[in-house]
Amino acid sequence: AQSVTQLGSHVSVSEGALVLLRCNYSSSVPPYLFWYVQYPNQGLQLLLKYTSAATLVKGINGFEAEFKKSETSFHLTKPSAHMSDAAEYFCAVTMNSGGYQKVTFGTGTKLQVIP
Amino acid sequence: EAGVAQSPRYKIIEKRQSVAFWCNPISGHATLYWYQQILGQGPKLLIQFQNNGVVDDSQLPKDRFSAERLKGVDSTLKIQPAKLEDSAVYLCASSSGASTGELFFGEGSRLTVL
Repeated sequence: AQSVTQLGSHVSVSEGALVLLRCNYSSSVPPYLFWYVQYPNQGLQLLLKYTSAATLVKGINGFEAEFKKSETSFHLTKPSAHMSDAAEYFCAVTMNSGGYQKVTFGTGTKLQVIP
Repeated sequence: EAGVAQSPRYKIIEKRQSVAFWCNPISGHATLYWYQQILGQGPKLLIQFQNNGVVDDSQLPKDRFSAERLKGVDSTLKIQPAKLEDSAVYLCASSSGASTGELFFGEGSRLTVL
C-alpha cells in the first residue's frame, strides 16, 4: 500500500520569502514521487518528479525538492516566493501495481503569497 | 501536441438528473484516469483504464456512476441519478502508463448539483 501525507492545508508566505511545502510518503517499494501544481479553475500540471536518479530534483518556476529516504520525505522548496506562485500544490506517489501505474495524491496545500 | 480535452467545462443540474462528461486523452496514451475533486480536497481516483480495459474502479460508486472507454481512446463518465454530494470537479488525465510517467490533466468539468 502507498500513501502521501501533506502537512498543512494552507501555507502563507511573504513575497520574497522561502517556500517550504511538506510531503511524507509511505510505500512498500521504492517510490516515484511527483509534485503537481493547480491554478484556479485549471487541471493539475507537473512541477517536478523524482524517479530514483538524483535525490535533489529541480523543476519549473524555480522549485526544487529533495528525496530523503531516511525521513520518507519529499518536501518542495523555493528560495523566494513570487505572487504568481499562489496556487494549490499536490504531492503524489506512484508505483507499478499488477502491471499498471497506481497513483496516489495527497490532500494538497494551498499556498498564499502576501505582498 | 494537443493536451487532454474535456467537455463540458461547467454543468448545473438538479438532483436526480443525469449528466455525462467526455474526455479525449493525449494521442497514444494508454492509460486514462477519471478523478473527482471536491472543493478543498485532493483528487480522488474514480476509475482507471488501461487501453479500453478497466484496471481500477474500486472507488467508483457503481450504483450511480458509469464510465467507458471505447476503442481505447475517448472516454465518457456518466452520473445517473445525481446527488447533491456529487458536486465537484471531474478531472480526466492520461499517461503513457509507465510508473515514472507524469499524468497530463484536462482543465476539468465542474458539476453543480442543486
